[in-house]
Amino acid sequence: AQSVAQPEDQVNVAEGNPLTVKCTYSVSGNPYLFWYVQYPNRGLQFLLKYITGDNLVKGSYGFEAEFNKSQTSFHLKKPSALVSDSALYFCAVSLRGDYKLSFGAGTTVTVRA
Amino acid sequence: GAGVSQSPRYKVAKRGQDVALRCDPISGHVSLFWYQQALGQGPEFLTYFQNEAQLDKSGLPSDRFFAERPEGSVSTLKIQRTQQEDSAVYLCASSLVGSRSQPQHFGDGTRLSIL
Repeated sequence: AQSVAQPEDQVNVAEGNPLTVKCTYSVSGNPYLFWYVQYPNRGLQFLLKYITGDNLVKGSYGFEAEFNKSQTSFHLKKPSALVSDSALYFCAVSLRGDYKLSFGAGTTVTVRA
Repeated sequence: GAGVSQSPRYKVAKRGQDVALRCDPISGHVSLFWYQQALGQGPEFLTYFQNEAQLDKSGLPSDRFFAERPEGSVSTLKIQRTQQEDSAVYLCASSLVGSRSQPQHFGDGTRLSIL
């Protein structure tokens, strides 16, 4: 069963507008949640993580994410998108007692000038 | 400092050949992971090392896949008798300690094409 779902294959926004990339998870216990970004022909770059504590997590490049336990969601947000934010974004979860990451299928973000 | 280094970046092999992919993790990183990323998909876990010990190999798709990390630093992923379905990007990641809260740092991957 899929542990992480990214319901949108693509997200298109205009530069300067808010950007949201959605992620929901379906694991028991306390998940550790991560966001990564991938540029063409490159590996994944870590953006931010939620382990415990404050539900609003701030990360690299102005990104933030909100953990919502009741909705089992961990959406990635940026208040004002840049053209350079255009990339492939992955949500991932680390399951209880496990070190490996389980990734969603990815969301392609396109920010138009 | 230097990140995770993978070589070669691109590898083309004929079906049936053996291939070896190398990963040089960040210096001092205890944990090392291999993932397989098919075109248009998220990475899928293959195997995990803590130092030289292979603690989890549950993601290796067949006994044709073999990974090692003999001295607890550099790792090699070997695929024997390659098949077309092995074509993918193979990503290596490392993290400082063996903890699931630690972010994994990824290399740029090896793109393997089997003809």
